[in-house]
Amino acid sequence: DTEVTQTPKHLVMGMTNKKSLKCEQHMGHRAMYWYKQKAKKPPELMFVYSYEKLSINESVPSRFSPECPNSSLLNLHLHALQPEDSALYLCASSRASGGDFSYEQYFGPGTRLTVT
Amino acid sequence: RKEVEQDPGPFNVPEGATVAFNCTYSNSASQSFFWYRQDCRKEPKLLMSVYSSGNEDGRFTAQLNRASQYISLLIRDSKLSDSATYLCVVGGFKTIFGAGTRLFVKA
Repeated sequence: DTEVTQTPKHLVMGMTNKKSLKCEQHMGHRAMYWYKQKAKKPPELMFVYSYEKLSINESVPSRFSPECPNSSLLNLHLHALQPEDSALYLCASSRASGGDFSYEQYFGPGTRLTVT
Repeated sequence: RKEVEQDPGPFNVPEGATVAFNCTYSNSASQSFFWYRQDCRKEPKLLMSVYSSGNEDGRFTAQLNRASQYISLLIRDSKLSDSATYLCVVGGFKTIFGAGTRLFVKA
């Protein structure tokens, strides 16, 4: 089973709202990722968690706050977003992360976020 | 120079054609290479990993040339359902995605 689930599928929020995106995997993977993807662009890495610890933060603004409650779950808390933050937010997981070698990543279907 | 470069296309080919995509990468220490496909408004899906010896999966063949730092994907007997964006991905401490190559297969 290579399934990664994400909720919600769609989210519309105002610039003063607080919301959270959720991601779950049951493959026993120890690395989880958040990506942002704009139309006709490749996914851009935001955060990497390895063994439930934040290992990479790609200089993401603090209005995005990741959380990894356990090895199966990954959240992305959103607060005071801007319209330019509207995008597809993708979660992925892989067996592990780090070093010069990478394992295959499996992506969830994404949350399509619109900030009004 | 970008870390991972791909020809954005689009490639417009008829059904049954053979099409090849190349991708170059800048970090000679990279050890992991992948091809993903992404359909419009969907998530990327792993197509295949790319091994040093090259590998084949049905109509798809991937090759790695470490000396020239490029990987390739060959699709034989193209189907309408192959229409998608193909993403070259280079792994390492951080995973780097190429910008993607768009393929349109027409009847």
